[in-house]
Parts: sequence; structure tokens; C-alpha cells
Amino acid sequence: GNSVTQMEGPVTLSEEAFLTINCTYTATGYPSLFWYVQYPGEGLQLLLKATKADDKGSNKGFEATYRKETTSFHLEKGSVQVSDSAVYFCSREDTGRRALTFGSGTRLQVQP
Amino acid sequence: DTAVSQTPKYLVTQMGNDKSIKCEQNLGHDTMYWYKQDSKKFLKIMFSYNNKELIINETVPNRFSPKSPDKAHLNLHINSLELGDSAVYFCASSQGGRGGYEQYFGPGTRLTVT
Repeated sequence: GNSVTQMEGPVTLSEEAFLTINCTYTATGYPSLFWYVQYPGEGLQLLLKATKADDKGSNKGFEATYRKETTSFHLEKGSVQVSDSAVYFCSREDTGRRALTFGSGTRLQVQP
Repeated sequence: DTAVSQTPKYLVTQMGNDKSIKCEQNLGHDTMYWYKQDSKKFLKIMFSYNNKELIINETVPNRFSPKSPDKAHLNLHINSLELGDSAVYFCASSQGGRGGYEQYFGPGTRLTVT
């Protein structure tokens, strides 16, 4: 089936630290992969996406590379800011239907 | 000019009541969804409609009934509310099917059943 596994949070970092949030997915088919971000009290916003192997999605300083060989899509940012504090969701396109399967979310807290 | 809107934002009600949540998208998308987010932030799809046709119906109690009067609207009606229905419900929309389509989410409706 379709599943996504993310590292558990919360992840607490100081401002300007390097961020990595790990994400792996089940290798059913060749799904498109996404990272969504949820700020407190808001809905989910698409952060970045990748549609095929070796694609790199990037936005607002965040990056993730679609790694077919390791079935991973880790999120990275070189220097986090307090405003990056949010919950981050990794997701994959389901096989055979129009839906997304989400990981459990990782809360990021950035301290000044 | 909100892309995906939901009403109400907050809904507090008692067990046994019937309630509805409305969703509208002005993006011209052909597919709409309902997701449920529990207290641990876990997000799971409930329903999906494509051009007003139900295409995904997950293992959801039949107390939940989605209705899509047109492509821009997808409402969720819940009968006989239970404590376990307390959650945040998100509406989303997308255009097209597979291949990197992205879903646009509404702000969510926080349902509290007492």
C-alpha cells in the first residue's frame, strides 16, 4: 500500500541552524512527492514537490531530492529562522487514485 | 479572493446533533477532497469528488455524507455526532489527476463535540 514515514518531532533548533527532516515512502509505483507546511491555526500549504527520480524541489530556502534508490525525500534548509516554526508534512501521491498519503508530521520549533 | 474557503472555522456542538461544513473553491479545479486531522496532527483522506462524482470513499462511518452540488463546492454533513468526531476537517482541491498535481487546502474547521 501507500505509506509515508517521517521522523518524530518536535525538532528544536536555534536560529541559523541546519535543518533535516527525514522522510521515506513505500515504493509502490513512481509517485510524485510533496512537502507541505502547516503554520499554527492555518491550513496546509505546499512547500515543494518533485515528480520523478533525482528531481530536486526547492522553495524559500528549503530543498528535497527524490531518491528512488533509498525511497527517501528528506527536507533540508541551510539556515532556519524563527518564522519557519511550523509542522511539516511529507506526502506521496497514491497509486491508482487521486489522493495524497501524508506522514505523521514533524513539528519544528526554532528558537531565537 | 481566498482560493479554498470553509465555513465555519469553529464548530462546537453536542453529541447526537447533526451539523454541516461547507467548502468552496474558486480555482476552477475539477477535484475536491475532505481530510480529517486528529489531535496528533495525523491527516487522513475521507472523500474525494471529481466533477461532482464520488471517487474516493475511505472507511468512514456512514454518518458522514459528502455532497457536491457543483464542481466548486463540496459540503460535509455529519449525523449523530460522537465525541470521536472531534477533529480539524480540511477541504482541498486540485486540478487534474496523477503526475505532480498539488492540492490546495482550506483553513480548516475545528469541530468540538461535547
